[in-house]
Amino acid sequence: NAGVTQTPKFQVLKTGQSMTLQCAQDMNHEYMSWYRQDPGMGLRLIHYSVGAGITDQGEVPNGYNVSRSTTEDFPLRLLSAAPSQTSVYFCASSRQWMPGAKNIQYFGAGTRLSVL
Amino acid sequence: SQQGEEDPQALSIQEGENATMNCSYKTSINNLQWYRQNSGRGLVHLILIRSNEREKHSGRLRVTLDTSKKSSSLLITASRAADTASYFCATDNAGGTSYGKLTFGQGTILTVHP
Repeated sequence: NAGVTQTPKFQVLKTGQSMTLQCAQDMNHEYMSWYRQDPGMGLRLIHYSVGAGITDQGEVPNGYNVSRSTTEDFPLRLLSAAPSQTSVYFCASSRQWMPGAKNIQYFGAGTRLSVL
Repeated sequence: SQQGEEDPQALSIQEGENATMNCSYKTSINNLQWYRQNSGRGLVHLILIRSNEREKHSGRLRVTLDTSKKSSSLLITASRAADTASYFCATDNAGGTSYGKLTFGQGTILTVHP
């Protein structure tokens, strides 16, 4: 199993451009999520999905869209990139999300995005 | 805002020494998890402790949880150079508004010198 695969690994955008960060998992996990990691800020949740067709906002959703048409894929779309979106983006998945359950997450290797 | 606050922000030790990292949080939790991140890589789950547990062990890792003080500590015994990484606590918070969300701390950077 490849686990959680993120593409691309690196990307440079100009302000105002749009792009999609890809995330795929082959573990048949129902739960998937996107985080951004900035120096000194830890990881902040952008959007998450508890199953195909279901998405919800995290802590910092503005400027990002997601959809979940299949169990395997959870793309993150930047609609109009801004320098404030320069960050490292991580996708993660979990078998499922159950209140009180372990909810251990498996992370991809990350996408390093620079917006000029 | 991040619920988990970790200290120290950075820790530098010699191989063979023990490393202790602390995490404090603000609200009731279902469980608390610790993750490791090697430079330039994704996070890897290390250990989980439930809210009704006080101590867990896994190999050279020991985690304690004090829900009255809303704090946890991660102890790595007999550290190795390969333990050099950033360590994050993450809380699965109790309550309906926290459904689907893990809240991560800012992390502790551990450097183990050979």
